[in-house]
Amino acid sequence: DTGVSQDPRHKITKRGQNVTFRCDPISEHNRLYWYRQTLGQGPEFLTYFQNEAQLEKSRLLSDRFSAERPKGSFSTLEIQRTEQGDSAMYLCASSLWTSGGADTQYFGPGTRLTVL
Amino acid sequence: AQTVTQSQPEMSVQEAETVTLSCTYDTSESDYYLFWYKQPPSRQMILVIRQEAYKQQNATENRFSVNFQKAAKSFSLKISDSQLGDAAMYFCAYRNSGGYQKVTFGTGTKLQVIP
Repeated sequence: DTGVSQDPRHKITKRGQNVTFRCDPISEHNRLYWYRQTLGQGPEFLTYFQNEAQLEKSRLLSDRFSAERPKGSFSTLEIQRTEQGDSAMYLCASSLWTSGGADTQYFGPGTRLTVL
Repeated sequence: AQTVTQSQPEMSVQEAETVTLSCTYDTSESDYYLFWYKQPPSRQMILVIRQEAYKQQNATENRFSVNFQKAAKSFSLKISDSQLGDAAMYFCAYRNSGGYQKVTFGTGTKLQVIP
């Protein structure tokens, strides 16, 4: 079990540029989540997938944000036309959900985005 | 909407001593889950302990235990025999049961362990 991995770990970009982050969940996990965490705050939910289907998106996820999970494996989060307010840690988590169960989310190390 | 409140931004404890971190939450649901997550500096968040609301018995994981007071909507974490490796941000989190329900996190408590 290699855990949840994220790439890159750090990204510095200029305002207006597009960035893409990748998350590889624990291999047998069917759910994948994206969160944003700013300094001094807890993680805030952005979106989640069950297998390849994106089932919920937060109002925090503006039109500039898009997430995919092709084939229900890894996921990508893209931010277009980045703004300084997008600077944050982007966390990915995965879980194994079964009907009637209480799936526990396991987090990756995060991607720290700095927009200059 | 559910809310989670951690009123202690920072706490400190002497090594080998016991410390309790506080968490309160607001919900109208009767069935839900509560979690404590630990986030060490520059390292990933890991689950410390989980409590199902329908269980009256407080969850325990080695040196970590919770005091779950459902009526008071309180969920505190007790760390016994504190170790230097316990220094981290601790987040309390809430989730409704059934299907998918998002996890709501508190703002965290930074725990310092003094040698």
